[in-house]
Amino acid sequence: NAGVTQTPKFQVLKTGQSMTLQCAQDMNHEYMSWYRQDPGMGLRLIHYSVGAGITDQGEVPNGYNVSRSTTEDFPLRLLSAAPSQTSVYFCASSSGQATDTQYFGPGTRLTVL
Amino acid sequence: GQNIDQPTEMTATEGAIVQINCTYQTSGFNGLFWYQQHAGEAPTFLSYNVLDGLEEKGRFSSFLSRSKGYSYLLLKELQMKDSASYLCAVRERSTLGRLYFGRGTQLTVWP
Repeated sequence: NAGVTQTPKFQVLKTGQSMTLQCAQDMNHEYMSWYRQDPGMGLRLIHYSVGAGITDQGEVPNGYNVSRSTTEDFPLRLLSAAPSQTSVYFCASSSGQATDTQYFGPGTRLTVL
Repeated sequence: GQNIDQPTEMTATEGAIVQINCTYQTSGFNGLFWYQQHAGEAPTFLSYNVLDGLEEKGRFSSFLSRSKGYSYLLLKELQMKDSASYLCAVRERSTLGRLYFGRGTQLTVWP
């Protein structure tokens, strides 16, 4: 049981490049989400999904796309990277049950030059 | 959006007790979570409150007052390893699974 996994751990992009951050969970969780964390800003929700085929926007969705074709995977796509997207990205999952917490992946540290 | 407020920084000494407060405003409260996050790592779950009162887990306790929109995390017998950021997060009834996070309180424990 690996929990929530994210790849890559580190990434450097040039402005305008695109890439996909991968997230997978093996806990059969319905709810998955992507956050970005910047100094002094806490965790801000980018996109989330309540099940396969269902996604919705969070607080800061601009410049990012998601899809949820399976329960296990929830990739985050940066369409055209900008320096403002330099951040640490966390993927999280939960069962969605009332008492269940969110389980976080180890994070991806992204730098856009 | 939700207004979740917690102090930015706190300091304490080893062996002491520290209380980290969190206030929130939400339209349909459905639980409050506390997470611990060490530098360079992911947040990890500490505690969950949905009813008023105190939940105790070893050295850590969390309190909730729904009528006041207030929670605190109490850390006893502080150790150096407790130096971390502590995140308060609120869940609403209308948004299944979604959490709203405060900006975190950076706790530094001195020897």
